[in-house]
Amino acid sequence: DAGVIQSPRHEVTEMGQEVTLRCKPISGHNSLFWYRQTMMRGLELLIYFNNNVPIDDSGMPEDRFSAKMPNASFSTLKIQPSEPRDSAVYFCASSKYAGPAGEKLFFGSGTQLSVL
Amino acid sequence: QKEVEQNSGPLSVPEGAIASLNCTYSDRGSQSFFWYRQYSGKSPELIMSIYSNGDKEDGRFTAQLNKASQYVSLLIRDSQPSDSATYLCALYGGATNKLIFGTGTLLAVQP
Repeated sequence: DAGVIQSPRHEVTEMGQEVTLRCKPISGHNSLFWYRQTMMRGLELLIYFNNNVPIDDSGMPEDRFSAKMPNASFSTLKIQPSEPRDSAVYFCASSKYAGPAGEKLFFGSGTQLSVL
Repeated sequence: QKEVEQNSGPLSVPEGAIASLNCTYSDRGSQSFFWYRQYSGKSPELIMSIYSNGDKEDGRFTAQLNKASQYVSLLIRDSQPSDSATYLCALYGGATNKLIFGTGTLLAVQP
């Protein structure tokens, strides 16, 4: 299996532009997570999906952020309009299922986003 | 109080020594605990999970959990330079029912 695939690896954009990050989870995994990592705040959970349904989006910073999972093999995280404070590494992760059983999360390589 | 607290380090240990990494948490309802390793510029990878009080050993790694004191630790025996990385403590919060990460401890193993 190729693992969790994210694109692009790097994104440099100007403030106010729309940014779309993409993720393909591991086949057969039913849960997908979007995390953001910064030096100050560490890894923060933005949103997660079970069976393509958003379960918890309480970590999404504000209305500028939106996420979709139209099918089991694809998810997007969109920022519109982007701001310099959105600069971070965005990770997508997948697992067989989410919950207290703590199934192992597999992370993608991340997208390094820089908003100028 | 943060949900998961770790000393950011760096923790510097000589090669061959035992590295001890600690983590405290605030939610007494937390049920599952994990240690992830993250090399610079890479993504986190799971190295240990622990669900009940006591010790769990896997090769050179030992995870320790004390729910009464609300801490979890990771011991790395015979530390190698290749162990140099940031170690992230994570747990499933009882209240939030989602995986929460600490900010990580940077470990530097000196040859």
